[in-house]
Amino acid sequence: EVQLVESGGGLVQPGGSLRLSCAASGFTFSSYWMSWVRQAPGKGLEWVANIKQDGSEKYYVDSVKGRFTISRDNAKNSLYLQMNSLRAEDTAVYYCAVLAARPLEWAFDIWGQGTMVTVSS
Amino acid sequence: SSELTQDPAVSVALGQTVRITCQGDSLRSYYASWYQQKPGQAPVLVIYGKNNRPSGIPDRFSGSSSGNTASLTITGAQAEDEADYYCNSRDSSGNHILFGGGTKLTVL
Repeated sequence: EVQLVESGGGLVQPGGSLRLSCAASGFTFSSYWMSWVRQAPGKGLEWVANIKQDGSEKYYVDSVKGRFTISRDNAKNSLYLQMNSLRAEDTAVYYCAVLAARPLEWAFDIWGQGTMVTVSS
Repeated sequence: SSELTQDPAVSVALGQTVRITCQGDSLRSYYASWYQQKPGQAPVLVIYGKNNRPSGIPDRFSGSSSGNTASLTITGAQAEDEADYYCNSRDSSGNHILFGGGTKLTVL
């Protein structure tokens, strides 16, 4: 069964740090781009970051650039998101997703169940 | 512009056809993909590419595109189709990804 399981969310104070993890199973993890997508409470989806199969390319939404770092360990079938200098506006459910980077469209084929991050004092 | 625009809410009578649209400059270069999200659940891909459905998605869901507008059509809407629907595409400037603001579909 294809599965993504996120962990690491929780309550953190503004300015703090948190590391999210995503464990993949049921597919060849090393063959796919991977992404983080977030959703603030009651709001829409927002793409956060992408990472290429071998980790050689990484892209971020402007609002997290310089604060968040996406990484992966293909030997452990795992994706990570290191989040530093957290702000209240980073409060959201964070989803790990498989990104199918086809020539004419990029689609999120598979999603995890999400992990909640709350930034509050 | 680097954004995708969706109508916030749409309603449809049970068994009727509804079209949900997504507009943006990036759609002139790339196809949209569509996601269904029910309360408390993760999004699910329903349409990708020109008009492709992942395994398990009913054939009442279809996609189309013209110019800067992509559309998701549900032919014969069912009560279980009531959900939020989001479009996304690749940003035309590079390797970023855009999402539309979402459309809340109500089945009457």
